[in-house]
Amino acid sequence: EVQLVESGGGLIQPGGSLRLSCAASGFNFNPYSMNWVRQAPGKGLEWISYIDGSSSAIYYADSVKGRFTTSRDNARRFVYLQMNNVRAEDTAIYYCARDIADCASGVCYEIRFDFWGQGTLVTVSS
Amino acid sequence: EIVLTQSPGTLSLSPGERATLSCRASQSVSSSYLVWYQQKLGQAPRLLIYGASIRATGVPDRFSGSGSGTDFILTINRVEPEDFAVYYCQQYGSSPRYSFGQGTKLEMK
Repeated sequence: EVQLVESGGGLIQPGGSLRLSCAASGFNFNPYSMNWVRQAPGKGLEWISYIDGSSSAIYYADSVKGRFTTSRDNARRFVYLQMNNVRAEDTAIYYCARDIADCASGVCYEIRFDFWGQGTLVTVSS
Repeated sequence: EIVLTQSPGTLSLSPGERATLSCRASQSVSSSYLVWYQQKLGQAPRLLIYGASIRATGVPDRFSGSGSGTDFILTINRVEPEDFAVYYCQQYGSSPRYSFGQGTKLEMK
C-alpha cells in the first residue's frame, strides 16, 4: 500500500526555519518525482515545489523561491522541505504528493498527483 | 502563467441531481495535462480524473471529465451524499510547473 507521511510541522516565528519531512513507503520510491503542495486555512491548493527522482530537476513556485529548498534521500525514502525566513502567509497545511505520468520517447503525458499524504500543519506566528 | 478559473464557486444540489463543474484556463491547456481532484473536509485531496477524461483507479463511473483547449468540465451524474466536497482542477505547464483552480464547493441543498 502506498503511504506518504508528512512530519515536522508546528508553530514557528516569522523569520524562522523549519524542515518538513515526507516518508514514503509501499512503492519503489527512486523513480518517482514528488511534490509539495500547501493549503492555507480555509483556502485552496497551492503547488510549491517539485523534485524528480534523481534530484536533477527541482522547481519552485515564485512565492517560495529563494526561501524554501526541496531535497530527497532515496536510500531512506524521504523527501524534505527546508523552509527558511518564513512569513505569516506560509501558514498552511503542507502535503507531499507523488507525481506520476505516462512517458514515451522522452515525452510525458497524463501527469497527475496520484497519492497524497495527510499533511502537516505549519503555523507562522509571533 | 496559465490561470485556472473554476465556476461556480459553490454549487448547491440535492442527492440524485447532476453536477456540472467548470474549469476555464487563461490559455490553451493540453487535455493530457488537465486533472481534477476531490477534497473532503479535513482530508487530503484525492485524484479523480486525469488527462481531462480518464477516471483514476476506484473512481465511480458517475464521475466524468470532458473538454479541451481552455474549457473543461467535471460532471457528476446522480450526486451521492459522499460526493459533497470541494473539487479542484489542476494543469501542468511551464512556469509555474503546476497550478490549481480556486475550487468549487459542492454542497447539499
